Amino acid sequence: QEQMVQSGSEVKKPGASVKVSCKLSTYAFSSNDVHWVRQAPGQGLEWVAMINPSDGSTVYAQRFQGRVTLTSDTSTSTVYMALSSLTSEDTALFYCARDTRGDLDLWGQGTLITVSS
Amino acid sequence: AIQMTQSPSSLSASIGDTVSITCRASQDIRNDLGWYQQKPGKAPKLLIYAASALQSGVPSRFSGSMSGTDFTLTITGLQPEDFASYYCLQTYNYPWTFGRGTTVDIK
Repeated sequence: QEQMVQSGSEVKKPGASVKVSCKLSTYAFSSNDVHWVRQAPGQGLEWVAMINPSDGSTVYAQRFQGRVTLTSDTSTSTVYMALSSLTSEDTALFYCARDTRGDLDLWGQGTLITVSS
Repeated sequence: AIQMTQSPSSLSASIGDTVSITCRASQDIRNDLGWYQQKPGKAPKLLIYAASALQSGVPSRFSGSMSGTDFTLTITGLQPEDFASYYCLQTYNYPWTFGRGTTVDIK
């Protein structure tokens, strides 16, 4: 069964960095872009960034530019999202999702990042 | 960035009702729009892609349509499991943008 499994919850202090993983259990790992979507507590969905795992090309939302970095490891079918200079406003659930023909058809379970002093 | 104006923000309905949710794009996005359902504590789920195509495994009571830059998700014959939040997402260009969401709850 195809699935995307994300790493567990993180608690970080303001100013710190965090790195979240998303492992894809599909043989076609390099065939699909992977996106990250953010959801603050009680709020809606917000697109964060995209990576093409095969060539490493990325696109970032303007508001996260400079603080978010996506990378991929084809040997382990894993995509990573690193977020730096954390503030309390970064407290949110982050989802990875597979892009099939321009739609997000397979989602990870979400990783909660909590930023608190 | 393309703005997606979604309405209503919430609605109350009864089992068996037909409900519609609309997203208006701030510019032409062709049919590059998907609809997603999210239940509390769960990841979103793709319902409709390319504005009107039903994702595999999604019940046929869900349908999507478009007229110009207006997109509509219709649920015909609301079922108990349909009470959730719904979001549109434009994938015409980056940055992809979601609508603000619509919560469908029980009247």
